[in-house]
Amino acid sequence: ETGVTQTPRHLVMGMTNKKSLKCEQHLGHNAMYWYKQSAKKPLELMFVYSLEERVENNSVPSRFSPECPNSSHLFLHLHTLQPEDSALYLCASSQGIRGWNEAFFGQGTRLTVV
Amino acid sequence: DQQVKQNSPSLSVQEGRISILNCDYTNSMFDYFLWYKKYPAEGPTFLISISSIKDKNEDGRFTVFLNKSAKHLSLHIVPSQPGDSAVYFCAASGYNNAGNMLTFGGGTRLMVKP
Repeated sequence: ETGVTQTPRHLVMGMTNKKSLKCEQHLGHNAMYWYKQSAKKPLELMFVYSLEERVENNSVPSRFSPECPNSSHLFLHLHTLQPEDSALYLCASSQGIRGWNEAFFGQGTRLTVV
Repeated sequence: DQQVKQNSPSLSVQEGRISILNCDYTNSMFDYFLWYKKYPAEGPTFLISISSIKDKNEDGRFTVFLNKSAKHLSLHIVPSQPGDSAVYFCAASGYNNAGNMLTFGGGTRLMVKP
């Protein structure tokens, strides 16, 4: 049990669908992150929230829309995705956004866009 | 431009021997380095870290070495065990990252053979 829970674990969606990924952390952390892991590529930071405020958006297309209603929950809303968006999406949390606060990761959502 | 590189995508080692995983970085502003371990179908978990003021940090069977002049770090696992088989990610953090978030390498898949 890592303390960071992601749902669903697997998701298959069409390019015209709208879906949401959910992340919940029970560690009392104040920073949450979305990462994307594509095959044969490094983990890519997508969004960072600190104290429920977005502090980083690494040039992510607008078809990905994050939401952080409170410090324990993070969502990633998906719409009109492309097949190349198929990847493992990982949520993480940490106490503070400085990198040496070790980030705790969820198990990820394996997304397939058809 | 990949600032953190793990040039070996895979490594195979016999049980009981030493595993050495390497990581190179290009950004001299990085000042904290971490290793994460990832099993299939799970998110990465923090393994060990090192600050740039040190050149070695040891935790049980795991030792991380940092060579700042060469911008190189390595993770040594000795003795290697079959349960160590996983993908290992190197990550770095520094003041010129917006918000000091982690930059990950592409990972090295370690296979420890019984």
